[in-house]
Amino acid sequence: SQQGEEDPQALSIQEGENATMNCSYKTSINNLQWYRQNSGRGLVHLILIRSNEREKHSGRLRVTLDTSKKSSSLLITASRAADTASYFCASYDGNTGKLIFGQGTTLQVKP
Amino acid sequence: KAGVTQTPRYLIKTRGQQVTLSCSPISGHRSVSWYQQTPGQGLQFLFEYFSETQRNKGNFPGRFSGRQFSNSRSEMNVSTLELGDSALYLCASSLPSGTEGEKLFFGSGTQLSVL
Repeated sequence: SQQGEEDPQALSIQEGENATMNCSYKTSINNLQWYRQNSGRGLVHLILIRSNEREKHSGRLRVTLDTSKKSSSLLITASRAADTASYFCASYDGNTGKLIFGQGTTLQVKP
Repeated sequence: KAGVTQTPRYLIKTRGQQVTLSCSPISGHRSVSWYQQTPGQGLQFLFEYFSETQRNKGNFPGRFSGRQFSNSRSEMNVSTLELGDSALYLCASSLPSGTEGEKLFFGSGTQLSVL
């Protein structure tokens, strides 16, 4: 399978805590993206980090990228109950033009 | 600006039938991609269309096909349905490749159940 892997598969934390999700991918990439999905609905784009970037911030989100290890992490700080969702990383290979999704991490934030 | 619209939202079919799903992209987006999502396999890339041409294709059998019209609207068709085709089918649109071209905007999906 071309799909990347995400770790952990499921995460349960209390409101106010930080949540960290990790992603590994298989091919060389132009960029890596993170998406969020609420309960079987469509995915929403969160953040994009390019292969020449190592870290990127957007509000309470922090993404890191290590191309030598083919891995990325998403940190959500000060989590809220509304952050409860599934989070997917997606690696974009500019050569094939394909965006390949990982299996996702299901995050539950308890009030 | 209206988002990506997929119709129908839910669909129930029986084995052997065929089905057509529709997707209207965000105005100005010319690229449309289709994904199949199942609990076991996750999100699998089906195909991508740009300017009415299939630009990319995933590893799905020929029963899965698609097309794109001149107004960028897209349809996908699955013939001779199998139980394993039960899934959430997601359509996503994007701008042409460039700084923002790789970022996808998803519709809410069509939940297909094959009985």
